[in-house]
Amino acid sequence: GAGVSQSPSNKVTEKGKDVELRCDPISGHTALYWYRQSLGQGLEFLIYFQGNSAPDKSGLPSDRFSAERTGGSVSTLTIQRTQQEDSAVYLCASSLVRGQAPQHFGDGTRLSIL
Amino acid sequence: GENVEQHPSTLSVQEGDSAVIKCTYSDSASNYFPWYKQELGKRPQLIIDIRSNVGEKKDQRIAVTLNKTAKHFSLHITETQPEDSAVYFCAADNTGNQFYFGTGTSLTVIP
Repeated sequence: GAGVSQSPSNKVTEKGKDVELRCDPISGHTALYWYRQSLGQGLEFLIYFQGNSAPDKSGLPSDRFSAERTGGSVSTLTIQRTQQEDSAVYLCASSLVRGQAPQHFGDGTRLSIL
Repeated sequence: GENVEQHPSTLSVQEGDSAVIKCTYSDSASNYFPWYKQELGKRPQLIIDIRSNVGEKKDQRIAVTLNKTAKHFSLHITETQPEDSAVYFCAADNTGNQFYFGTGTSLTVIP
């Protein structure tokens, strides 16, 4: 398909474990965003990648969170030593160029920490 | 950072009536204001956006207005239909990459 693809769609893990979430943006889209959406809340900005530029990590809530984007395409969001408050839906979005609002969202990864 | 507030949190209207959702923002440097629609269990969809060099933008039954002086912007949906029922989010940005979202408005259109 031509949309933003995220995996896994659901992840249940025990507190303290590490998790890795994957985002495959639309081909050719240079901008990639990660957001977090808690139940009944808006979207919380986490990190932004633009081409080969250094990412904007200012939204990451703690040093347990990190993300990378290899080759300007696929991105991985890693959460180490997960806590219950990390439970949320993690959404990835991509846009064709910088300065555009997140245009195309994936279906998200629903993360549940037991 | 930017703080975006959105009202109301829930809104019910009769089919055919208009719906208005309002957002305020705190950072006067913000210059780009997109709106998203999220149906239950689905991904957010960008439905319309406005930049600070215009005061109003329309797309069929949807319009957005922006008041830079007052730092607020609104989404107007006219002739509402049941398929307009969803959660709507506003957002504001001043950097080109940090879009701060409101907490959402759950709109129900009653047939």
